[in-house]
Amino acid sequence: EAQVTQNPRYLITVTGKKLTVTCSQNMNHEYMSWYRQDPGLGLRQIYYSMNVEVTDKGDVPEGYKVSRKEKRNFPLILESPSPNQTSLYFCATSRDTTYEQYFGPGTRLTVT
Amino acid sequence: EDQVTQSPEALRLQEGESSSLNCSYTVSGLRGLFWYRQDPGKGPEFLFTLYSAGEEKEKERLKATLTKKESFLHITAPKPEDSATYLCAVRSNDYKLSFGAGTTVTVRA
Repeated sequence: EAQVTQNPRYLITVTGKKLTVTCSQNMNHEYMSWYRQDPGLGLRQIYYSMNVEVTDKGDVPEGYKVSRKEKRNFPLILESPSPNQTSLYFCATSRDTTYEQYFGPGTRLTVT
Repeated sequence: EDQVTQSPEALRLQEGESSSLNCSYTVSGLRGLFWYRQDPGKGPEFLFTLYSAGEEKEKERLKATLTKKESFLHITAPKPEDSATYLCAVRSNDYKLSFGAGTTVTVRA
């Protein structure tokens, strides 16, 4: 079954404690992306990757890091989380930049 | 800067009452317009892709259309299970994807 998985699904943490949200896909897709979704602001892109070892900033990259060492995985790293990073995060993948994206189930992050 | 505006923000319908959602956009070269459905607490689910003005796509009670400035998602004879937030997104020449804020549809039995 084609799927995008994210872990953890829910996370409550404290300011400054480094965390990683994992994203994995089994569709052999080239393109992967991270979004955050906030009420009234919609989905905003954080980072994206067109292929292994190729990443680029989206609209709201500040405070986040990513890496793409293997095709199937695209982790999102928050080195020093702050309360304004409390949000619902989605990983998405697509065959390439021209095709539709498929989204993971989401990770709800709360930073206190 | 690419902009995507969806209206209305919320729509309450009676079961069987057809209606339309609007997605207006300004983009530097359209490389595709996408419609997604999102249920509360879940990831968006892909519905349609439209590439050029005049194109139409259908799936069950949903039909998407595209002009040079906007797209419509028509819901015909909706059922309660059609209740969801519908998101519109556009991809521009630089392959960046920009989302609208969505329209939340509630269908009452």
